[in-house]
Amino acid sequence: QQPVQSPQAVILREGEDAVINCSSSKALYSVHWYRQKHGEAPIFLMILLKGGEQKGHDKISASFNEKKQQSSLYLTASQLSYSGTYFCGTAASGAGSYQLTFGKGTKLSVIP
Amino acid sequence: EAQVTQNPRYLITVTGKKLTVTCSQNMNHEYMSWYRQDPGLGLRQIYYSMNVEVTDKGDVPEGYKVSRKEKRNFPLILESPSPNQTSLYFCASSRLASGRRTGELFFGEGSRLTVL
Repeated sequence: QQPVQSPQAVILREGEDAVINCSSSKALYSVHWYRQKHGEAPIFLMILLKGGEQKGHDKISASFNEKKQQSSLYLTASQLSYSGTYFCGTAASGAGSYQLTFGKGTKLSVIP
Repeated sequence: EAQVTQNPRYLITVTGKKLTVTCSQNMNHEYMSWYRQDPGLGLRQIYYSMNVEVTDKGDVPEGYKVSRKEKRNFPLILESPSPNQTSLYFCASSRLASGRRTGELFFGEGSRLTVL
């Protein structure tokens, strides 16, 4: 079952912040975040493992609340280059679970 | 250069004509996977492989076959394509991280398939 992402789409002006949420009905081992620009392949942003960790690089960070099976991606002081569709991918807990299931995506548009 | 290579990049075919989309990676990754991308549906996993001769179904395996005879290659086979298999297909690979879990996925450039 696909994780649920919200919002489906968001428009920002340069410099504004955004939060993208990812929620699963399953107990999770890890959450992946990827960004895809139009006509291109998805590009890896980060992985978060169970344990409630938080990660970040540059002005993009993420958190993972394993008790709620939720992850959030935070984009701070957005730049034009942040435009694209963001996907979360989830891996369920449990031995031998290699399946990575992606959400439907959140389309982010940053305008000048 | 580390990469995942898919072929063909574009293909128009007719219903029922068997086709194979090849995928090759040069990073010695254990894990490989196929996804299809359709508007509004995101990326849906078709099949994945944890290593040579080890494959498993994803969320939408119907109408597809895969094989993993060599570590670097993971072809996707459509035995009898139908119009509902018209889609953008991505192959991806990763090493298996600690705990035998999927690490960072490296995606190919995609193969756009149209079945008439």
